Amino acid sequence: DAGITQSPRYKITETGRQVTLMCHQTWSHSYMFWYRQDLGHGLRLIYYSAAADITDKGEVPDGYVVSRSKTENFPLTLESATRSQTSVYFCASREGGSTGELFFGEGSRLTVL
Amino acid sequence: GENVEQHPSTLSVQEGDSAVIKCTYSDSASNYFPWYKQELGKGPQLIIDIRSNVGEKKDQRIAVTLNKTAKHFSLHITETQPEDSAVYFCAASSSGYSTLTFGKGTMLLVSP
Repeated sequence: DAGITQSPRYKITETGRQVTLMCHQTWSHSYMFWYRQDLGHGLRLIYYSAAADITDKGEVPDGYVVSRSKTENFPLTLESATRSQTSVYFCASREGGSTGELFFGEGSRLTVL
Repeated sequence: GENVEQHPSTLSVQEGDSAVIKCTYSDSASNYFPWYKQELGKGPQLIIDIRSNVGEKKDQRIAVTLNKTAKHFSLHITETQPEDSAVYFCAASSSGYSTLTFGKGTMLLVSP
Protein backbone atom coordinates (compact mmCIF):
# COMPACT_ATOMS: atom_id res chain seq x y z
CA ASP A 1 0.00 0.00 0.00
CA ALA A 2 1.13 3.52 -0.67
CA GLY A 3 1.99 5.69 2.29
CA ILE A 4 4.70 6.36 4.79
CA THR A 5 6.09 3.53 6.86
CA GLN A 6 8.46 3.45 9.78
CA SER A 7 10.53 0.59 11.13
CA PRO A 8 11.02 -0.75 13.65
CA ARG A 9 7.81 0.18 15.47
CA TYR A 10 9.34 -0.73 18.82
CA LYS A 11 12.99 -0.86 19.82
CA ILE A 12 14.78 -1.38 23.11
CA THR A 13 18.50 -0.66 23.20
CA GLU A 14 21.24 0.14 25.67
CA THR A 15 23.12 3.34 26.33
CA GLY A 16 25.99 3.82 23.89
CA ARG A 17 24.63 1.63 21.11
CA GLN A 18 23.93 2.86 17.61
CA VAL A 19 20.32 2.74 16.47
CA THR A 20 18.83 3.50 13.07
CA LEU A 21 15.17 4.24 12.55
CA MET A 22 13.94 3.81 9.00
CA CYS A 23 11.37 5.86 7.13
CA HIS A 24 10.03 5.10 3.66
CA GLN A 25 7.40 6.98 1.64
CA THR A 26 5.85 5.98 -1.67
CA TRP A 27 4.47 9.36 -2.77
CA SER A 28 7.76 10.86 -4.03
CA HIS A 29 7.19 13.79 -1.68
CA SER A 30 10.03 16.31 -1.72
CA TYR A 31 10.09 17.06 1.99
CA MET A 32 10.66 14.60 4.81
CA PHE A 33 10.86 15.28 8.53
CA TRP A 34 11.78 13.58 11.78
CA TYR A 35 10.01 14.61 14.99
CA ARG A 36 10.25 13.30 18.50
CA GLN A 37 7.26 13.31 20.83
CA ASP A 38 7.73 13.55 24.57
CA LEU A 39 5.20 14.20 27.32
CA GLY A 40 5.11 17.89 28.09
CA HIS A 41 7.05 18.84 24.97
CA GLY A 42 4.72 17.97 22.13
CA LEU A 43 6.32 17.40 18.73
CA ARG A 44 9.83 18.71 18.27
CA LEU A 45 11.62 18.74 14.94
CA ILE A 46 14.94 16.89 14.83
CA TYR A 47 15.96 17.10 11.17
CA TYR A 48 14.31 17.65 7.84
CA SER A 49 15.12 17.27 4.18
CA ALA A 50 13.88 19.30 1.22
CA ALA A 51 15.13 16.82 -1.39
CA ALA A 52 17.62 14.02 -1.87
CA ASP A 53 21.04 14.99 -0.54
CA ILE A 54 19.65 18.13 1.16
CA THR A 55 19.18 18.00 4.92
CA ASP A 56 18.91 20.63 7.64
CA LYS A 57 18.75 20.79 11.40
CA GLY A 58 15.59 21.31 13.34
CA GLU A 59 15.04 22.32 16.95
CA VAL A 60 16.71 19.34 18.66
CA PRO A 61 19.37 17.83 16.33
CA ASP A 62 22.12 16.99 18.83
CA GLY A 63 22.94 13.28 18.99
CA TYR A 64 21.20 12.46 15.71
CA VAL A 65 22.41 11.96 12.15
CA VAL A 66 20.31 11.77 8.98
CA SER A 67 20.91 11.04 5.34
CA ARG A 68 18.79 11.09 2.22
CA SER A 69 20.43 9.38 -0.70
CA LYS A 70 17.04 8.51 -2.25
CA THR A 71 13.87 10.60 -2.31
CA GLU A 72 11.79 7.86 -0.70
CA ASN A 73 14.02 7.05 2.29
CA PHE A 74 15.04 9.19 5.25
CA PRO A 75 16.79 7.18 7.98
CA LEU A 76 17.51 8.64 11.42
CA THR A 77 20.57 7.37 13.29
CA LEU A 78 21.39 7.74 16.95
CA GLU A 79 25.14 7.24 16.89
CA SER A 80 25.50 6.61 20.63
CA ALA A 81 22.10 6.34 22.28
CA THR A 82 21.43 8.06 25.61
CA ARG A 83 18.53 7.65 28.03
CA SER A 84 17.32 11.15 27.15
CA GLN A 85 16.66 9.87 23.64
CA THR A 86 13.96 7.52 24.90
CA SER A 87 10.97 8.82 22.98
CA VAL A 88 8.44 8.19 20.25
CA TYR A 89 9.83 9.19 16.87
CA PHE A 90 7.63 10.24 13.97
CA CYS A 91 8.63 10.54 10.37
CA ALA A 92 6.54 12.76 8.11
CA SER A 93 6.49 13.86 4.50
CA ARG A 94 5.05 16.73 2.51
CA GLU A 95 4.63 17.15 -1.20
CA GLY A 96 6.45 20.45 -1.56
CA GLY A 97 6.34 24.18 -0.95
CA SER A 98 6.57 25.85 2.40
CA THR A 99 3.10 24.92 3.65
CA GLY A 100 0.68 22.07 3.17
CA GLU A 101 -0.35 18.83 4.81
CA LEU A 102 2.20 16.72 6.64
CA PHE A 103 1.63 12.97 6.38
CA PHE A 104 2.92 11.14 9.44
CA GLY A 105 4.02 7.58 9.90
CA GLU A 106 2.76 5.44 12.78
CA GLY A 107 5.77 6.18 14.94
CA SER A 108 8.74 4.27 16.37
CA ARG A 109 8.86 3.86 20.13
CA LEU A 110 12.48 3.78 21.29
CA THR A 111 13.55 2.88 24.81
CA VAL A 112 17.17 3.39 25.82
CA LEU A 113 18.14 1.51 28.99
CA GLY B 1 12.22 31.40 15.83
CA GLU B 2 8.51 30.76 16.11
CA ASN B 3 7.00 29.85 19.48
CA VAL B 4 3.51 28.34 19.75
CA GLU B 5 1.69 28.15 23.07
CA GLN B 6 -1.35 25.88 23.41
CA HIS B 7 -4.02 25.76 26.12
CA PRO B 8 -5.43 23.87 27.88
CA SER B 9 -3.17 20.84 28.14
CA THR B 10 -6.14 18.63 29.03
CA LEU B 11 -9.85 19.16 28.42
CA SER B 12 -12.74 16.96 29.57
CA VAL B 13 -16.24 17.47 28.19
CA GLN B 14 -19.51 15.60 28.11
CA GLU B 15 -20.73 14.16 24.82
CA GLY B 16 -22.67 16.80 22.93
CA ASP B 17 -20.85 19.73 24.53
CA SER B 18 -18.53 22.06 22.64
CA ALA B 19 -14.76 22.09 23.05
CA VAL B 20 -12.39 25.00 22.41
CA ILE B 21 -8.60 24.81 22.22
CA LYS B 22 -6.56 28.01 21.97
CA CYS B 23 -3.11 28.75 20.59
CA THR B 24 -0.93 31.82 20.39
CA TYR B 25 2.10 32.34 18.18
CA SER B 26 5.01 34.76 18.32
CA ASP B 27 6.16 35.33 14.71
CA SER B 28 4.03 37.93 12.96
CA ALA B 29 5.25 36.53 9.62
CA SER B 30 3.45 33.22 10.23
CA ASN B 31 0.63 32.74 7.74
CA TYR B 32 -0.33 29.06 7.87
CA PHE B 33 -2.05 27.46 10.88
CA PRO B 34 -2.96 23.77 10.76
CA TRP B 35 -4.53 21.55 13.40
CA TYR B 36 -3.62 17.90 13.79
CA LYS B 37 -5.44 15.12 15.63
CA GLN B 38 -3.52 12.22 17.11
CA GLU B 39 -5.40 9.09 18.13
CA LEU B 40 -3.84 6.67 20.55
CA GLY B 41 -0.93 4.76 19.04
CA LYS B 42 -1.07 6.59 15.72
CA GLY B 43 0.64 9.47 13.99
CA PRO B 44 -0.95 12.93 13.89
CA GLN B 45 -3.39 13.63 11.06
CA LEU B 46 -4.42 16.99 9.62
CA ILE B 47 -8.04 17.87 10.40
CA ILE B 48 -8.27 21.50 9.33
CA ASP B 49 -6.03 24.41 8.44
CA ILE B 50 -6.36 28.13 7.91
CA ARG B 51 -4.27 30.73 6.13
CA SER B 52 -3.77 34.31 7.20
CA ASN B 53 -6.03 35.79 4.54
CA VAL B 54 -9.04 34.06 6.15
CA GLY B 55 -10.57 34.75 9.56
CA GLU B 56 -12.62 31.58 9.98
CA LYS B 57 -12.98 28.20 8.34
CA LYS B 58 -15.52 25.45 9.00
CA ASP B 59 -15.72 21.78 8.17
CA GLN B 60 -18.83 20.12 9.56
CA ARG B 61 -18.46 20.10 13.38
CA ILE B 62 -14.99 21.63 13.33
CA ALA B 63 -14.09 25.29 12.92
CA VAL B 64 -10.93 27.32 13.26
CA THR B 65 -10.74 31.05 13.89
CA LEU B 66 -7.73 33.31 13.44
CA ASN B 67 -7.00 36.72 14.93
CA LYS B 68 -3.81 37.98 13.29
CA THR B 69 -3.73 41.20 15.27
CA ALA B 70 -3.69 39.32 18.56
CA LYS B 71 -1.64 36.45 17.10
CA HIS B 72 -3.96 33.72 18.28
CA PHE B 73 -6.08 31.02 16.70
CA SER B 74 -8.56 28.55 18.08
CA LEU B 75 -10.12 25.18 17.28
CA HIS B 76 -13.82 24.75 17.98
CA ILE B 77 -15.48 21.35 18.02
CA THR B 78 -19.26 21.31 18.37
CA GLU B 79 -21.52 18.40 19.36
CA THR B 80 -18.54 16.41 20.60
CA GLN B 81 -18.58 12.63 20.29
CA PRO B 82 -16.50 9.97 22.07
CA GLU B 83 -14.52 9.43 18.87
CA ASP B 84 -13.32 13.03 19.15
CA SER B 85 -11.22 11.92 22.13
CA ALA B 86 -7.59 12.37 21.08
CA VAL B 87 -4.60 14.69 21.39
CA TYR B 88 -4.90 17.84 19.30
CA PHE B 89 -1.92 19.89 18.13
CA CYS B 90 -1.92 23.38 16.72
CA ALA B 91 0.99 24.56 14.57
CA ALA B 92 2.24 27.61 12.72
CA SER B 93 4.58 28.35 9.88
CA SER B 94 5.37 31.11 7.42
CA SER B 95 5.89 30.98 3.69
CA GLY B 96 9.54 31.84 4.24
CA TYR B 97 10.19 28.67 6.20
CA SER B 98 9.86 24.99 5.37
CA THR B 99 8.97 23.75 8.82
CA LEU B 100 6.02 23.77 11.21
CA THR B 101 6.29 24.69 14.86
CA PHE B 102 3.84 22.71 16.97
CA GLY B 103 2.15 23.52 20.25
CA LYS B 104 2.53 21.03 23.08
CA GLY B 105 -0.84 19.44 22.51
CA THR B 106 -4.23 19.18 24.21
CA MET B 107 -5.64 15.87 25.36
CA LEU B 108 -9.39 15.99 24.78
CA LEU B 109 -11.56 13.43 26.57
CA VAL B 110 -15.22 13.19 25.61
CA SER B 111 -17.29 11.23 28.10
CA PRO B 112 -20.50 9.47 26.98
